[in-house]
Amino acid sequence: DGGITQSPKYLFRKEGQNVTLSCEQNLNHDAMYWYRQDPGQGLRLIYYSQIVNDFQKGDIAEGYSVSREKKESFPLTVTSAQKNPTAFYLCASKQGYYNEQFFGPGTRLTVL
Amino acid sequence: AQSVTQPDIHITVSEGASLELRCNYSYGATPYLFWYVQSPGQGLQLLLKYFSGDTLVQGIKGFEAEFKRSQSSFNLRKPSVHWSDAAEYFCAVVAWDDKIIFGKGTRLHILP
Repeated sequence: DGGITQSPKYLFRKEGQNVTLSCEQNLNHDAMYWYRQDPGQGLRLIYYSQIVNDFQKGDIAEGYSVSREKKESFPLTVTSAQKNPTAFYLCASKQGYYNEQFFGPGTRLTVL
Repeated sequence: AQSVTQPDIHITVSEGASLELRCNYSYGATPYLFWYVQSPGQGLQLLLKYFSGDTLVQGIKGFEAEFKRSQSSFNLRKPSVHWSDAAEYFCAVVAWDDKIIFGKGTRLHILP
């Protein structure tokens, strides 16, 4: 079955540590996205990539970094510079212009 | 600037009753619109989409939505809700730069 996988489902981090969230898709989609979700805030775009080896900052990129070395993979690193990283993180992908995004199941990150 | 407004943060309906979730968008051209549903701790699932043509669109799980250009609205409806419909619902519009703008969501509660 085609889809998007995110791992791990739950992640705990100590303050001051970097952590990487995985996102893999086998839909052969060109574009991939990372969102952060906080209660009552909807989805906020962190980074997105429309093609391999290229990515752009979204609305809340500070304290995050990404890479896009392969079409199917778009990992997100939450760095120690992110002041309030505890949140639910969603990865998405899509193909073509003006099409819907497909979402992964999400990773809940908690900073201890 | 493009935006999506979901005026109701929470809605409670009785099982078997009809449902309407409101969505208003701000966009100069013909909008491309979506409704997504999210169960707790899960990713988003596409319910339906509007790109052009018939203004009444049918989706999965018995949902439908009506596009009204004069009111800049894209309200989601279901004639009879089931307890399994309890979730959070997001309206979204494709922006001019192909990113997707999400509303802040409406949480639906079902009374037995």
